[in-house]
Amino acid sequence: DQQVKQNSPSLSVQEGRISILNCDYTNSMFDYFLWYKKYPAEGPTFLISISSIKDKNEDGRFTVFLNKSAKHLSLHIVPSQPGDSAVYFCAARGNSGGSNYKLTFGKGTLLTVNP
Amino acid sequence: SQTIHQWPATLVQPVGSPLSLECTVEGTSNPNLYWYRQAAGRGLQLLFYSVGIGQISSEVPQNLSASRPQDRQFILSSKKLLLSDSGFYLCAWSRAGGNSPLHFGNGTRLTVT
Repeated sequence: DQQVKQNSPSLSVQEGRISILNCDYTNSMFDYFLWYKKYPAEGPTFLISISSIKDKNEDGRFTVFLNKSAKHLSLHIVPSQPGDSAVYFCAARGNSGGSNYKLTFGKGTLLTVNP
Repeated sequence: SQTIHQWPATLVQPVGSPLSLECTVEGTSNPNLYWYRQAAGRGLQLLFYSVGIGQISSEVPQNLSASRPQDRQFILSSKKLLLSDSGFYLCAWSRAGGNSPLHFGNGTRLTVT
């Protein structure tokens, strides 16, 4: 049962335009959400997070939006740069006893930003 | 600042051989520690996590085990590797308690032949 879904395996965007990466989740106990960026042969790098008490969090070019009723979150990158080309993972953490420590990841979306 | 070290970066091992991957964290104390695996075409799967020395929780039944002999040291082991153990293994740490992100090492690419 895939609790965190990234339905687009890949996305291609022109440099300077907006990149929108989407993520859906099914577990209503998730209350903390994160986005990671991963280059080949490296570990994921934390980008930005949001807790369920907010619907938006912004950090420079990166903004995460959370729609709890739709169980949907998205990452906006504006403006997109070629160096943003990487695999982006959405992750979520529950808040029910022993699951409080664990992140559940989506399968990732490969973003390609074309010069 | 905190850093996480994971080694080796790549490893090729024959089926039936033992495995030991090591991970250490610097610059923090009493971290939560994690082992994840990324198989080809799949997301990141949590294998083990630890909230303290000697405390290991396993997420999936498998051919692997984990140990935490010291506060900032986490070891992934196997007595006999299987072909299906091939993958990209990632160690991570997070602060204990509250909403804090995981910070990953650079991973170990394990190929079992």
